[in-house]
Amino acid sequence: DAMVIQNPRYQVTQFGKPVTLSCSQTLNHNVMYWYQQKSSQAPKLLFHYYDKDFNNEADTPDNFQSRRPNTSFCFLDIRSPGLGDAAMYLCATSSKDRGFQPQHFGDGTRLSIL
Amino acid sequence: RKEVEQDPGPFNVPEGATVAFNCTYSNSASQSFFWYRQDCRKEPKLLMSVYSSGNEDGRFTAQLNRASQYISLLIRDSKLSDSATYLCVVNLPGDYKLSFGAGTTVTVRA
Repeated sequence: DAMVIQNPRYQVTQFGKPVTLSCSQTLNHNVMYWYQQKSSQAPKLLFHYYDKDFNNEADTPDNFQSRRPNTSFCFLDIRSPGLGDAAMYLCATSSKDRGFQPQHFGDGTRLSIL
Repeated sequence: RKEVEQDPGPFNVPEGATVAFNCTYSNSASQSFFWYRQDCRKEPKLLMSVYSSGNEDGRFTAQLNRASQYISLLIRDSKLSDSATYLCVVNLPGDYKLSFGAGTTVTVRA
């Protein structure tokens, strides 16, 4: 059974139209991460939540926001998507009790921009 | 300089062959090392951790060389199902963030 679930698997949006990607977990892990991965590149960490504490990477554009209303759910909001934001978005979780390793990934959401 | 660097490949090998590739990391304080596997258009999945003394998991052998700051992965008796991108992943002590390489693509042909 999937333990990190991302919805939707595929998302198409228009240039400049806000979009929200969701992630839920049944693992009760402390940390939830959002990564952006483009073709043939390493996953790039956008931000992560340690419990309720939000940690933004220095080079994450302001266009990207996140919300974590409870332990199980985390959302990625892209306020005004540009063509360069087309990518796979990966959610992952890890647990302090396990030394934060390994990270468990969801299936990803592939975002296309028209 | 990137934190983690890998030869992107692709490594094209016949079934049954042995294939090996390395990954270098820049931060000498790195403490935890992993190989993740990523299939085309899928999420990364942990393949194996890499321990200081080297370790095996079936047909997969991982080695760590701290002096030269690289880790390696060797796949013996390659199967078609081994075709994937292998991501080298490095972690600093107490850090809950991972540093990923861009991956090495392996294609096993019949």
